[in-house]
Amino acid sequence: AQSVTQPDIHITVSEGASLELRCNYSYGATPYLFWYVQSPGQGLQLLLKYFSGDTLVQGIKGFEAEFKRSQSSFNLRKPSVHWSDAAEYFCAVGASNDYKLSFGAGTTVTVRA
Amino acid sequence: GAVVSQHPSRVICKSGTSVKIECRSLDFQATTMFWYRQFPKKSLMLMATSNEGSKATYEQGVEKDKFLINHASLTLSTLTVTSAHPEDSSFYICSASTSGGADNEQFFGPGTRLTVL
Repeated sequence: AQSVTQPDIHITVSEGASLELRCNYSYGATPYLFWYVQSPGQGLQLLLKYFSGDTLVQGIKGFEAEFKRSQSSFNLRKPSVHWSDAAEYFCAVGASNDYKLSFGAGTTVTVRA
Repeated sequence: GAVVSQHPSRVICKSGTSVKIECRSLDFQATTMFWYRQFPKKSLMLMATSNEGSKATYEQGVEKDKFLINHASLTLSTLTVTSAHPEDSSFYICSASTSGGADNEQFFGPGTRLTVL
């Protein structure tokens, strides 16, 4: 079974600074990887996903993530954060033969002025 | 884009009563719908998966008699929390997909906050 670890529970970043959120997964084959964002009291919105091909994936809202098989990682980055990026971010992993997604515990991002 | 709605957005009920939560795919047909539970500051926990016209598949540890799921049409799934108790208070989120594969994106609803007094 697949699993996801998000090592950082909470990150505070200044507006305009860069952001990187870590995600490590455990899965025996090539995983399907996702990053979702959740604003307070809201559902999840897909930021980006990786299935195959180019390991650097571009997403919405200026986010990108890089799949590194050797490190079992799929870290999310944004060069310059905006106050509206304050939210909860979840990494998720799925398998090609299984519809289920396993979510990490999430990272809360706070943006200070 | 694909839109999933949930109703109600929040509900408060007395202990022992039943509560029904609706999940609708507004602009696409959802062959598969998923129900998650999210505790404060915690990850999403998959409760069950439902396919239109068939019985839901529940995850280990989820009481199927307590959390009744019906997926009667390609656009509607309902979760009924029967005989609710305070420990059932949580944020319930549904998602919908055009098929069950992980490569088919799940579109998430905005969630329903259930508070059981």
